[in-house]
Amino acid sequence: AQSVTQPDIHITVSEGASLELRCNYSYGATPYLFWYVQSPGQGLQLLLKYFSGDTLVQGIKGFEAEFKRSQSSFNLRKPSVHWSDAAEYFCAVGANTNAGKSTFGDGTTLTVKP
Amino acid sequence: GAVVSQHPSWVICKSGTSVKIECRSLDFQATTMFWYRQFPKQSLMLMATSNEGSKATYEQGVEKDKFLINHASLTLSTLTVTSAHPEDSSFYICSAGRPSGGSYNEQFFGPGTRLTVL
Repeated sequence: AQSVTQPDIHITVSEGASLELRCNYSYGATPYLFWYVQSPGQGLQLLLKYFSGDTLVQGIKGFEAEFKRSQSSFNLRKPSVHWSDAAEYFCAVGANTNAGKSTFGDGTTLTVKP
Repeated sequence: GAVVSQHPSWVICKSGTSVKIECRSLDFQATTMFWYRQFPKQSLMLMATSNEGSKATYEQGVEKDKFLINHASLTLSTLTVTSAHPEDSSFYICSAGRPSGGSYNEQFFGPGTRLTVL
């Protein structure tokens, strides 16, 4: 079975500071990994995804993530956070079986201080 | 491409009534769709896998008689919450699978439906 752990429930950073959100996964084969962002009352927006190839993935809004197989991690980073980045962030893993259903982490709430 | 819509975006109903939520893949065909439920400040929990032309597969603990799923076409799946009660109030999100990069079905998510049961 696949699972995702986001160790940080809540993170607060100052505007302009760098950000790293942690994600660890458990899956027996090569995973398909995703980061989504969700603003209050809204649906999910895909930030980036990793299927294969280059382990450093670039996404939208200046986000990037690095897949590290040895650490079973897929951490999300941004060099300079903007106030509009405050939201809930979900890491997810998709399987090549079960028609690709996704398993989500519990999410990390990002607060941005002015 | 790969746009998924949900209708309605929000609904308020009285306890005991039934509510139908639609999930449509607008520009692709999806043999598989998924229904998720999200409580406030919590993650998405998979409720069921909807397969076109066959019965849905429900996750453990989800009442199939309460949450009726129909996937009658390759672009439409519906979730009906029967005899809704206040504890069914939640944010319901669907996703539709589209082949991407080989055999993997990448999931594309709808915007969600907010259900409030009074």
